[in-house]
Amino acid sequence: QLQLQESGPGLVKPSETLSLTCTVSGGSISSSSYYWGWIRQPPGKGLEWIGSIYYSGSTYYNPSLKSRVTISVDTSKNQFSLKLSSVTAADTAVYYCARNTAMVRLYDYWGQGTLVTVSS
Amino acid sequence: SYVLTQPPSVSVAPGQTARITCGGNNIGSKSVHWYQQKPGQAPVLVVYDDSDRPSGIPERFSGSNSGNTATLTISRVEAGDEADYYCQVWDSSSDLWVFGGGTKLTVL
Repeated sequence: QLQLQESGPGLVKPSETLSLTCTVSGGSISSSSYYWGWIRQPPGKGLEWIGSIYYSGSTYYNPSLKSRVTISVDTSKNQFSLKLSSVTAADTAVYYCARNTAMVRLYDYWGQGTLVTVSS
Repeated sequence: SYVLTQPPSVSVAPGQTARITCGGNNIGSKSVHWYQQKPGQAPVLVVYDDSDRPSGIPERFSGSNSGNTATLTISRVEAGDEADYYCQVWDSSSDLWVFGGGTKLTVL
């Protein structure tokens, strides 16, 4: 059974960089059949797609966040990561990592999510 | 960029049918996926490719997609169906994934 697990600091100071890692177990991140993505959800609000990465390293970013986002993949560790720079309180959210099928671009497996609070 | 519009809330009595819409420009030409999210939990895929159901999802969940509107239909609604529902598409013209704003389903 595929599992995804987010990890990283739960508290980040304003203007600093938010860094999260998603560890994939039960399957290979190097499969050509999947993309790997980050989605966030501010408290009490809806889902927002942040970006996705293919095992080859090709990346796709939400235009509203593109200038601040970097997603990378480490196939040797079966992990992919998110960096969001210059954070503000508006970046406070539950951050999910998820697997995205390459054929129909849906999210079939999700991590449990991790709350990141931006506060001094 | 592509925008998906959902009603903020839908209410239905137990045993009745709930319909949740997802509007988008010519959405009928895209594959629409639906997710159910209960409080404190990650979203779960309930309908994909407009009308298919993943294994383990009850037949009460169905979907349709035509023109500018996709619809998630939940028949014989149960109390356990109370949740937030999100539609999602992939916009091939821009290589971007898009979520609707979400609809809170309340079972009266």
